Amino acid sequence: GAVVSQHPSWVICKSGTSVKIECRSLDFQATTMFWYRQFPKQSLMLMATSNEGSKATYEQGVEKDKFLINHASLTLSTLTVTSAHPEDSSFYICSAHLQGAVNYGYTFGSGTRLTVV
Amino acid sequence: AQSVAQPEDQVNVAEGNPLTVKCTYSVSGNPYLFWYVQYPNRGLQFLLKYITGDNLVKGSYGFEAEFNKSQTSFHLKKPSALVSDSALYFCAVRDMQAGNMLTFGGGTRLMVKP
Repeated sequence: GAVVSQHPSWVICKSGTSVKIECRSLDFQATTMFWYRQFPKQSLMLMATSNEGSKATYEQGVEKDKFLINHASLTLSTLTVTSAHPEDSSFYICSAHLQGAVNYGYTFGSGTRLTVV
Repeated sequence: AQSVAQPEDQVNVAEGNPLTVKCTYSVSGNPYLFWYVQYPNRGLQFLLKYITGDNLVKGSYGFEAEFNKSQTSFHLKKPSALVSDSALYFCAVRDMQAGNMLTFGGGTRLMVKP
């Protein structure tokens, strides 16, 4: 089945540094990638939607200059948290929408736990 | 706009008993409905979906869900709960007329006690 590989699983970084999270679709082409943020014991909050080769569409309230999303190919999308602060600590999850999927499938990465100290 | 409500933050059930996790939705068009399960510090795993066809949908791990259009509900059910079913469950909806974005409910924590 379709698999999205998300790395790293967890990362600890110092305030002010940048962190890059990668999501790769291993056996399919992901024309659309969704990036979510999840706070403890809460639901997933959509941050942005990226389509291959075009600029990401950010949800209201999400700073596009802080959360840089790149979807340069059909198999790779990245989220870079720039100048990270402790309040950026969260669980980040990507999800790929399968191109032309007859079952309208969505496949999720395993998530990245970011801790900013 | 599309929305999903999971009215219960937590559901407790004894092992071997049937379980129900509730979900109601609101869309302007026809819905695609999904259930996902999340274990600690992990991504979401797909359980089942309703696109069209039979209202009763069978999915992974013995779970099933019933689409009820008149009540705009899509409750998740399992005849006999296992301790290993304890996890966080999310209902999600996609409005067919609103692109391919999923909207998630707030999640329901299922606790199955031995």
